[in-house]
Amino acid sequence: EPEVTQTPSHQVTQMGQEVILRCVPISNHLYFYWYRQILGQKVEFLVSFYNNEISEKSEIFDDQFSVERPDGSNFTLKIRSTKLEDSAMYFCASSVDNSPYEQYFGPGTRLTVT
Amino acid sequence: GNSVTQMEGPVTLSEEAFLTINCTYTATGYPSLFWYVQYPGEGLQLLLKATKADDKGSNKGFEATYRKETTSFHLEKGSVQVSDSAVYFCALSDGAAGNKLTFGGGTRVLVKP
Repeated sequence: EPEVTQTPSHQVTQMGQEVILRCVPISNHLYFYWYRQILGQKVEFLVSFYNNEISEKSEIFDDQFSVERPDGSNFTLKIRSTKLEDSAMYFCASSVDNSPYEQYFGPGTRLTVT
Repeated sequence: GNSVTQMEGPVTLSEEAFLTINCTYTATGYPSLFWYVQYPGEGLQLLLKATKADDKGSNKGFEATYRKETTSFHLEKGSVQVSDSAVYFCALSDGAAGNKLTFGGGTRVLVKP
């Protein structure tokens, strides 16, 4: 069964450093998403992406964040200058179309900022 | 804005007990409703969904009915197993551009043998 994959599973970085989190969505999916979950808190929407453009972004997704689909398979989230409060589990998701059904989630990348 | 409220856990049950996790929502329009499950060390998996009022979603013995009059989508299972131990998230999508999911806080369920 096709699945969304994410790398790395755990990333440790120092405050102020740039990180890139990588995701490989399901191959025939066209809509891509990033969510995050700070430990003990809700899963929060960050950004959605379609046709090489951001469709929607939350207030969390400020200028420090960017997303890119550099090739036909990868979808990346970049944080330019990490802060302690960026420590969280980051989930990538993809869906085949724009109907609000069945976003398939990856296993997540745990980001720890020290 | 949209919001989802679900009962706080942890919920501890014995095997074969009845499980209910309450979920209520606030949304504009007519959202679609979902339950996601997160097993230890894994990502979120869609458990079931309902897209309009009075729809019942079901999967793996779990059920939830979309109740517009009470803005609720409570999750139930008649007889839980140890393997049902996980965190359960209620979520909605209002179908707006971007199709983001709005999640509740999650409810941890622990089933003891």
